Amino acid sequence: GENVEQHPSTLSVQEGDSAVIKCTYSDSASNYFPWYKQELGKRPQLIIDIRSNVGEKKDQRIAVTLNKTAKHFSLHITETQPEDSAVYFCAGVIGSGNTGKLIFGQGTTLQVKP
Amino acid sequence: EAGVTQFPSHSVIEKGQTVTLRCDPISGHDNLYWYRRVMGKEIKFLLHFVKESKQDESGMPNNRFLAERTGGTYSTLKVQPAELEDSGVYFCASSPNADTQYFGPGTRLTVL
Repeated sequence: GENVEQHPSTLSVQEGDSAVIKCTYSDSASNYFPWYKQELGKRPQLIIDIRSNVGEKKDQRIAVTLNKTAKHFSLHITETQPEDSAVYFCAGVIGSGNTGKLIFGQGTTLQVKP
Repeated sequence: EAGVTQFPSHSVIEKGQTVTLRCDPISGHDNLYWYRRVMGKEIKFLLHFVKESKQDESGMPNNRFLAERTGGTYSTLKVQPAELEDSGVYFCASSPNADTQYFGPGTRLTVL
């Protein structure tokens, strides 16, 4: 069935280091891949997204890469800061016709140690 | 611009009772989604409205769950009767284009 696999489930880095979270998806028709950050007790916040016609997108310290052939995409956070600590979810829009149904990965708990 | 709002933020009920969750999307967003996160697992899709019509309800667990969006504005999700496994955080999201989705703060439901 449709699914998105996300790794690792937990990630601990030292402040200033880089963090990479990887996701793979099963539906080759997927064309939109958002990343959400959820801080404790708060709503999932869209931090960056990428569409299938783009291989890479960057926004300050955050970048996302997409490999459509291999069906995987990754989130890269550089120069991590303690406030980057949160749960990160990747997702893919599954299906055709712009139904917008998001299939989420299992989440990665990122801890940035000061 | 106000974001997606949900009410209540928390609800504690006993097994067999009924609970109704409400979601107010961002004004003008025709697309409204319900998701659920159970026990620290992934966020799972429940259903999708376009205006007042159910576009996709393939994620609804069973017929104890009923979602409505009368008038195409706010939506309600009713669980009747609630079971222990219904506990989790219920998120609502809205989108202007069935693409970029903005989430609400969620309702934490605890069924005892």
